[in-house]
Amino acid sequence: NAGVTQTPKFRILKIGQSMTLQCAQDMNHNYMYWYRQDPGMGLKLIYYSVGAGITDKGEVPNGYNVSRSTTEDFPLRLELAAPSQTSVYFCASSYSGDASYEQYFGPGTRLTVT
Amino acid sequence: QQPVQSPQAVILREGEDAVINCSSSKALYSVHWYRQKHGEAPVFLMILLKGGEQKGHDKISASFNEKKQQSSLYLTASQLSYSGTYFCGVIMIYNQGGKLIFGQGTELSVKP
Repeated sequence: NAGVTQTPKFRILKIGQSMTLQCAQDMNHNYMYWYRQDPGMGLKLIYYSVGAGITDKGEVPNGYNVSRSTTEDFPLRLELAAPSQTSVYFCASSYSGDASYEQYFGPGTRLTVT
Repeated sequence: QQPVQSPQAVILREGEDAVINCSSSKALYSVHWYRQKHGEAPVFLMILLKGGEQKGHDKISASFNEKKQQSSLYLTASQLSYSGTYFCGVIMIYNQGGKLIFGQGTELSVKP
């Protein structure tokens, strides 16, 4: 099992550009999450999904969009990139939303917006 | 709503012990602990649930005081491999849908 994979690993965007961060998992997990981590800070939830076709906002959703057409994939779309979106983005998945299930994280995408 | 972790940073010599705390201003249903090494993804360590159930790493212990709304992670006889940033993530209600609210992290450095 590859676990949770993310592409790209690094990306530099100019202000106003758009991009999609890819996330895939091969563990047949129902729940998937997108977090951002700013330097020296904890993880903030951007969006999450409880299954294919169902997504909802987290703590910091502004400037982002998601979709989930399959169980495996959960891409994150940045529209009109801004310097405030410079961060490391982690995708995670868990078998269930029950509090007893751990989350598995991907390796992250380091994004710089200049 | 973000839990508060203490200390913010700690430096240890190999073999020393450390305690990392995670406190919430609201009642907690569950506390998750993760460790993140520099430049890597967070990795699951432990889950503590209301009522006393625990799940996780054999070599790491933790406690969950529901009345104090606090959890502590105990790192004993530390090894170099324990270095990293430790995060607690909390769930406040049963049907929070797995959405963890993370603390700001505690950076642990273990020196030879």
